[in-house]
Amino acid sequence: SAVISQKPSRDICQRGTSLTIQCQVDSQVTMMFWYRQQPGQSLTLIATANQGSEATYESGFVIDKFPISRPNLTFSTLTVSNMSPEDSSIYLCSVVPTSGGNIQYFGAGTRLSVL
Amino acid sequence: ELKVEQNPLFLSMQEGKNYTIYCNYSTTSDRLYWYRQDPGKSLESLFVLLSNGAVKQEGRLMASLDTKARLSTLHITAAVHDLSATYFCAVGIGGSQGNLIFGKGTKLSVKP
Repeated sequence: SAVISQKPSRDICQRGTSLTIQCQVDSQVTMMFWYRQQPGQSLTLIATANQGSEATYESGFVIDKFPISRPNLTFSTLTVSNMSPEDSSIYLCSVVPTSGGNIQYFGAGTRLSVL
Repeated sequence: ELKVEQNPLFLSMQEGKNYTIYCNYSTTSDRLYWYRQDPGKSLESLFVLLSNGAVKQEGRLMASLDTKARLSTLHITAAVHDLSATYFCAVGIGGSQGNLIFGKGTKLSVKP
């Protein structure tokens, strides 16, 4: 299994500012992912955070808006840049443990409100 | 484009009753996931189904997968209030684990 800690758990931000969300895992994982869950909606993959290389973004998401860092095998950050009210969502970190198995674990999420 | 459709989206049940949630997807995949989400909480993994005909059971929940029909079901037996939550199915795409396409979720409410 994997224990994922996300910070902050929630935040209220002003339009035009940026917020960096941290994701810490209790074991080394090859793959870390960032998802977005808009209010009352399902989850959408933003990007795959690769250690040692640039993140891989899904259609509709760009690096300038959602820069991602992955400095090591247990940590990643997602920044939501130049925020607007449309960015109000829950952002979730997810991992697939390197140790095997097919279960994908999710962090508790960061609940972001943009005013 | 892969689409994952769940139905129903809302389900109100009485305790003790049985019901099935359906998850249809539009392209081939080698893995199908079921998650539970309680209000204000993250996702809890319930089942991972990896092959045609796979069936898994945990307590009052049983999940099955028919890859030929591109259909998974989550069957609830003798529902209890504690099962009230939103249930998501998700389909893995590509060769990379982690790239999941989620259904819209089924909000289940079990009433006494």
